[in-house]
Amino acid sequence: DTEVTQTPKHLVMGMTNKKSLKCEQHMGHRAMYWYKQKAKKPPELMFVYSYEKLSINESVPSRFSPECPNSSLLNLHLHALQPEDSALYLCASSPSRKREASTDTQYFGPGTRLTVL
Amino acid sequence: AQKITQTQPGMFVQEKEAVTLDCTYDTSDPSYGLFWYKQPSSGEMIFLIYQGSYDQQNATEGRYSLNFQKARKSANLVISASQLGDSAMYFCAMREVGSTGGTASKLTFGTGTRLQVTL
Repeated sequence: DTEVTQTPKHLVMGMTNKKSLKCEQHMGHRAMYWYKQKAKKPPELMFVYSYEKLSINESVPSRFSPECPNSSLLNLHLHALQPEDSALYLCASSPSRKREASTDTQYFGPGTRLTVL
Repeated sequence: AQKITQTQPGMFVQEKEAVTLDCTYDTSDPSYGLFWYKQPSSGEMIFLIYQGSYDQQNATEGRYSLNFQKARKSANLVISASQLGDSAMYFCAMREVGSTGGTASKLTFGTGTRLQVTL
């Protein structure tokens, strides 16, 4: 089973709203990722959690706040977003085993299409 | 400098024909992995195939094979017997082991190739 689930599938929010994106995996993976993808562009890495600790923050604005409550769950809290933050937000997970470092395949969820009005 | 280059923004192929999607990469890390992902219009990134830098043989996975030429730093994806369902965006990506010390993988993506399969 290589399933990563994301909710909601679609989200429309105003600039003053607070919302959260949720991601879940039950593959025993120890690394989880948030990506942002604009139309016709490749995904851009936002955050990486490794063993429930934030290991990479790609200089993302503070209006995006990640949270990893346990090894299976990853949240992205959104507050005071701008219209340019409208995008597809993809979550991914990978085993993160040092012994097999180069084969650490990331498996992606279906994404959340976010529209900020 | 771009680490992953996909020079074909769009490709057309007839159903049942084979097609090659190009990918070249640049790295000084001796240990790295190369990945291909498929992204249909629905948005999900689907993992297709992986090639490690130390692998002696080209990777194959069903109708997908990876033409890995290490000296030329190329990792082209070959799709045999194309099907209408293969129409999608295809991304080549690379993981350099040295980038995070092996505890989590940071992928660098190419700009993608949009493949259209026609009747």
